[in-house]
Amino acid sequence: ETGVTQSPTHLIKTRGQQVTLRCSSQSGHNTVSWYQQALGQGPQFIFQYYREEENGRGNFPPRFSGLQFPNYSSELNVNALELDDSALYLCASSFRAVNPSTDTQYFGPGTRLTVL
Amino acid sequence: GENVEQHPSTLSVQEGDSAVIKCTYSDSASNYFPWYKQELGKRPQLIIDIRSNVGEKKDQRIAVTLNKTAKHFSLHITETQPEDSAVYFCAASGPGNYGGSQGNLIFGKGTKLSVKP
Repeated sequence: ETGVTQSPTHLIKTRGQQVTLRCSSQSGHNTVSWYQQALGQGPQFIFQYYREEENGRGNFPPRFSGLQFPNYSSELNVNALELDDSALYLCASSFRAVNPSTDTQYFGPGTRLTVL
Repeated sequence: GENVEQHPSTLSVQEGDSAVIKCTYSDSASNYFPWYKQELGKRPQLIIDIRSNVGEKKDQRIAVTLNKTAKHFSLHITETQPEDSAVYFCAASGPGNYGGSQGNLIFGKGTKLSVKP
């Protein structure tokens, strides 16, 4: 198992609400990437944080936002939840020595979000 | 942007047989190709990866091959065991893809591997 942890494990929200998901990166890692995995699909890249700054974003609307803290942990915030936001949200941590670089990413267990 | 196609979507083999999963990618700038195994309800687990300066990499029963010219890469599992049953995802990354970022991964849709005892 990796040292990447996520909380909470499961979450149920209603449409229009806001949610915050948390990720603690593996010791020694400085980069966190967030992915959305719909049922039966591969993970889709949301965004990545490197040295507390957003370092790339996938095809997700601005209501998906994030933060990275000095200890390299990270948050994913989703506003105005929609039914289609129901998915497994995965974070992955990695160590980047230089930027740009393609790092080996290790996933956390995910947060299962259900929007009713 | 990068697009990754993965085949087959399902694969059933007898224990002891070999399994091969193939992926193609579209962005010739991609330079890193990991494979993840995901068991039901669990996190994707990195099982092997390859960078574009290498054509083949092996780790015990698992091997990955990369053909940069044809832009495809494959996962080979030999002597399959029931515990190899899972969904396998290939991914591609590299500079200049997907929104201008580096280091993000673009995943295939997955292959459900079933190993029958």
